[in-house]
Amino acid sequence: EAAVTQSPRNKVTVTGGNVTLSCRQTNSHNYMYWYRQDTGHGLRLIHYSYGAGNLQIGDVPDGYKATRTTQEDFFLLLELASPSQTSLYFCASSVGTGEDTQYFGPGTRLLVL
Amino acid sequence: SQWGEENLQALSIQEGEDVTMNCSYKTYTTVVQWYRQKSGKGPALIILIRSNEREKRSGRLRATLDTSSQSSSLSITGTLATDTAVYFCATDAGVVGQLTFGSGTRLQVYA
Repeated sequence: EAAVTQSPRNKVTVTGGNVTLSCRQTNSHNYMYWYRQDTGHGLRLIHYSYGAGNLQIGDVPDGYKATRTTQEDFFLLLELASPSQTSLYFCASSVGTGEDTQYFGPGTRLLVL
Repeated sequence: SQWGEENLQALSIQEGEDVTMNCSYKTYTTVVQWYRQKSGKGPALIILIRSNEREKRSGRLRATLDTSSQSSSLSITGTLATDTAVYFCATDAGVVGQLTFGSGTRLQVYA
């Protein structure tokens, strides 16, 4: 089973602060994803990537940057955090062909004060 | 039922009862995937049904798919307290590598 880890697990920052969320997967999957989860909205896709150096825009990208440095590592950057970005963030990975089962990390809870 | 911006649905039942959750989707999909998310964890796939299948079973789980009405259901028979979780459906709109998740159904099973 794919292993996806995220760090930190919890983060508190202030409005205007700079935050980086990290994700690593160890199963050589091609695709990696960043989602945010808010009550009543399910999972919403922020950015995704199909390989090192590649970045694709998701459904709710405003205020977020992302970078895929290696096959294993995908980062989500909030350069000027706002309270509206308080959320639970999940990273996921998938092989990226056919029936793309996604394997999720444990999540990072971010609070922007 | 769940989809898009609909509010999270919630169901509360007693252990041993059967339950069915519904999902409607807006565009073509090659598969419908059902994920379960337990408290404090990320979602995990529990059953997948392809567009050429009408029904799929896995243990106590049964998924159905009606492509003409663009709807899917997930049934759990003989529920256990450990089935307490949020359940999401997800579709791919025919796009490789991308899933769209429904808003979810929160299931509480009381022992």
